[in-house]
Amino acid sequence: AQSVAQPEDQVNVAEGNPLTVKCTYSVSGNPYLFWYVQYPNRGLQFLLKYITGDNLVKGSYGFEAEFNKSQTSFHLKKPSALVSDSALYFCAVSSGYGNNRLAFGKGNQVVVIP
Amino acid sequence: NAGVTQTPKFRILKIGQSMTLQCAQDMNHNYMYWYRQDPGMGLKLIYYSVGAGITDKGEVPNGYNVSRSTTEDFPLRLELAAPSQTSVYFCASSPGTANTEAFFGQGTRLTVV
Repeated sequence: AQSVAQPEDQVNVAEGNPLTVKCTYSVSGNPYLFWYVQYPNRGLQFLLKYITGDNLVKGSYGFEAEFNKSQTSFHLKKPSALVSDSALYFCAVSSGYGNNRLAFGKGNQVVVIP
Repeated sequence: NAGVTQTPKFRILKIGQSMTLQCAQDMNHNYMYWYRQDPGMGLKLIYYSVGAGITDKGEVPNGYNVSRSTTEDFPLRLELAAPSQTSVYFCASSPGTANTEAFFGQGTRLTVV
């Protein structure tokens, strides 16, 4: 079964500094990887995904993520964080092998300090 | 363009009461899901459906039931509410293939007292 690890509970970063949120995964077959963001009292919103091809994926709001097959990682990055990026970020994985279900990590709280 | 709509947004139940959480999507998606979100635990899959008339258990199905009579609707039923079911519940839908993103509703915050 697929699984995701997000090792940090909270990531604090100063506004304007680079932001990185870490994610590693385990899956049978080729992975399909996703990042979602959740603002307070809201549902999850899709940010970006990796399916195949270029290892660097660009998404909404200036976010990007790098797929690294050898390290089974899919870290989310943003070159310059904004206060409005403060939210809960979830990494998720599915696979074309088996039941296609998404497995979510526990989430990382990102706090951008003005 | 409503997307995924959940009702109610908030609910307080007494132990042993029953209720149905409603979920509707207008995107003609085949797949629909129910998740619960507990602090620090991420999202756990309760039930999912791959199309009208077809449902299957997820990771944490005990205490819940679902039905899928139409493509649009996927209600979640709690028969005998317990304090352990206090959580935020999210409904989601997707076109169905593993490489497509899911669309989430706004959530239902349920408290069982």
